[in-house]
Amino acid sequence: DSGVTQTPKHLITATGQRVTLRCSPRSGDLSVYWYQQSLDQGLQFLIQYYNGEERAKGNILERFSAQQFPDLHSELNLSSLELGDSALYFCASSVVASGGAGTDTQYFGPGTRLTVL
Amino acid sequence: LAKTTQPISMDSYEGQEVNITCSHNNIATNDYITWYQQFPSQGPRFIIQGYKTKVTNEVASLFIPADRKSSTLSLPRVSLSDTAVYYCLVGDGVDNFNKFYFGSGTKLNVKP
Repeated sequence: DSGVTQTPKHLITATGQRVTLRCSPRSGDLSVYWYQQSLDQGLQFLIQYYNGEERAKGNILERFSAQQFPDLHSELNLSSLELGDSALYFCASSVVASGGAGTDTQYFGPGTRLTVL
Repeated sequence: LAKTTQPISMDSYEGQEVNITCSHNNIATNDYITWYQQFPSQGPRFIIQGYKTKVTNEVASLFIPADRKSSTLSLPRVSLSDTAVYYCLVGDGVDNFNKFYFGSGTKLNVKP
């Protein structure tokens, strides 16, 4: 158990809908990251938040947005869903966002499996 | 942007030592190299991290040559439970942002 929690575990919805995925980081971690993993694909970095502020952006679509709240939990909002958005969405957390990637060990949650029908 | 290249897959047998190499030609001066392990439908798990030369912990060793353009994860005496995907992670230090790009991952298949 990494200490990172994600809800829900599974989500089934229809095209065009909007969903919200939730992540609670490990106690004391200030950084939250979101990743997307499509079937048999590698992890695609979406976005990072540090202490409530956006820190870095990866391959995140305009239909997707995220935020980190004062209690440090984070939500990933996916709208106008398409079939291709079906994937595992992972949240990770780390202590700080330092100046070089790899210096902060990321702890990953169990993921939310999104199925768009 | 730092980009990594790994073999897509590797096969091994129980008890053997496995070495997985990752190429990262554009690694930045301040970047560390981190390896993660991922089992199907689970989140990745940290294995080891290093900056240069050699790092060893209870599960693996990481070898990094002087030019740091590659790194090799070494798993001693693998077992069936080591069957997983292994990712090499090198961050992008440009613009002082952390951008976490996982490599394509290496699918290790350990056979009995």
